[in-house]
Amino acid sequence: DTAVSQTPKYLVTQMGNDKSIKCEQNLGHDTMYWYKQDSKKFLKIMFSYNNKELIINETVPNRFSPKSPDKAHLNLHINSLELGDSAVYFCASSHLNTEAFFGQGTRLTVV
Amino acid sequence: GESVGLHLPTLSVQEGDNSIINCAYSNSASDYFIWYKQESGKGPQFIIDIRSNMDKRQGQRVTVLLNKTVKHLSLQIAATQPGDSAVYFCAEISNAGGTSYGKLTFGQGTILTVHP
Repeated sequence: DTAVSQTPKYLVTQMGNDKSIKCEQNLGHDTMYWYKQDSKKFLKIMFSYNNKELIINETVPNRFSPKSPDKAHLNLHINSLELGDSAVYFCASSHLNTEAFFGQGTRLTVV
Repeated sequence: GESVGLHLPTLSVQEGDNSIINCAYSNSASDYFIWYKQESGKGPQFIIDIRSNMDKRQGQRVTVLLNKTVKHLSLQIAATQPGDSAVYFCAEISNAGGTSYGKLTFGQGTILTVHP
């Protein structure tokens, strides 16, 4: 009965590869997010979708492309992975302007 | 004690003590505040929230205080338990009462360690 689930939990890949992280929520929320958490635990928003429409796009390299096929899913595709992309990526969802519920995170390691 | 520097602030307490975790925010337009708890290997988990028309809100063993004058938020945990050990984040949304989207922005985080 996981509310926000993302896969995979761990992802180890070589520089230059392309990878995707998937996220699904079963809470009926209309807003979904991707956050990046660095080694210092700082959580920074990357993207947000409301009703499948992109509403927040922070200063993120265009190698990162979110895709929302429907309101319950928000996937993150990353092209040409770099060492600096190594981090924990969190998916979250909420109703508009309310508390967000987070997934368990995807630890991405680029070698 | 509490320390602030290049690393995350840390707070160490004994089991049974009360803990106070502080957070400063800078955006005067922020009108909705949330405290999250993040345990190792997990995502942030909602603890308690407060809107800007309030200055105090209580939950089970937790109290959030909001001082809009000095843009300060605190989380008080009563009778702290080892299971409370985690990283605690404050987060804010500006213009949350409107119909447009407000961005959920996180603060730095504080590591709480509870010793048995």
